[in-house]
Amino acid sequence: RKEVEQDPGPFNVPEGATVAFNCTYSNSASQSFFWYRQDCRKEPKLLMSVYSSGNEDGRFTAQLNRASQYISLLIRDSKLSDSATYLCVRYNAGNMLTFGGGTRLMVKP
Amino acid sequence: DTEVTQTPKHLVMGMTNKKSLKCEQHMGHRAMYWYKQKAKKPPELMFVYSYEKLSINESVPSRFSPECPNSSLLNLHLHALQPEDSALYLCASSQMTGEVMRNQPQHFGDGTRLSIL
Repeated sequence: RKEVEQDPGPFNVPEGATVAFNCTYSNSASQSFFWYRQDCRKEPKLLMSVYSSGNEDGRFTAQLNRASQYISLLIRDSKLSDSATYLCVRYNAGNMLTFGGGTRLMVKP
Repeated sequence: DTEVTQTPKHLVMGMTNKKSLKCEQHMGHRAMYWYKQKAKKPPELMFVYSYEKLSINESVPSRFSPECPNSSLLNLHLHALQPEDSALYLCASSQMTGEVMRNQPQHFGDGTRLSIL
């Protein structure tokens, strides 16, 4: 089993839709996670940090479920500009990150 | 706009050339990283520098040679690369977690797209 696993998608949704991605992880001792977004041929950019109780930032909500070892990202009122690959990332000791394979989102007009 | 600056943006080189990739940040971050990313794959860690010292080398071939001249700069020297080394090379930086309370995300530069002929 991969350490951090994501459905690669693509998720094709219409503008205005609500979409959710899940990410599962295998190390139950994992403490911190991040969601990054990466546009085609661009660098990953930090979208949200996810701490013990999850957090919300505008249209984006991240949740952490330690019992089931998954985190989720919910995007409400999808915009065309939300089209990107969303990377689930686990923080490891020593300042290191473990990346999931990414989930591709396509928002259509 | 990214706060981590990488140059050049694009590089095409032959297998016998020697070139260097450069990365600079002025956020006071004391951890810096090199990643390699192939199309449709997540970034793969190559090297980690902590307080200007190499702390992690992820079994990277010796044709890649990192250098950290000071706390703001990180270089990656390239020599005798192979066609399979063609990829996007990303630099990142972060605060050291021991200096702050929460685990710190990494901030990425916009990368150097490298093509080996």
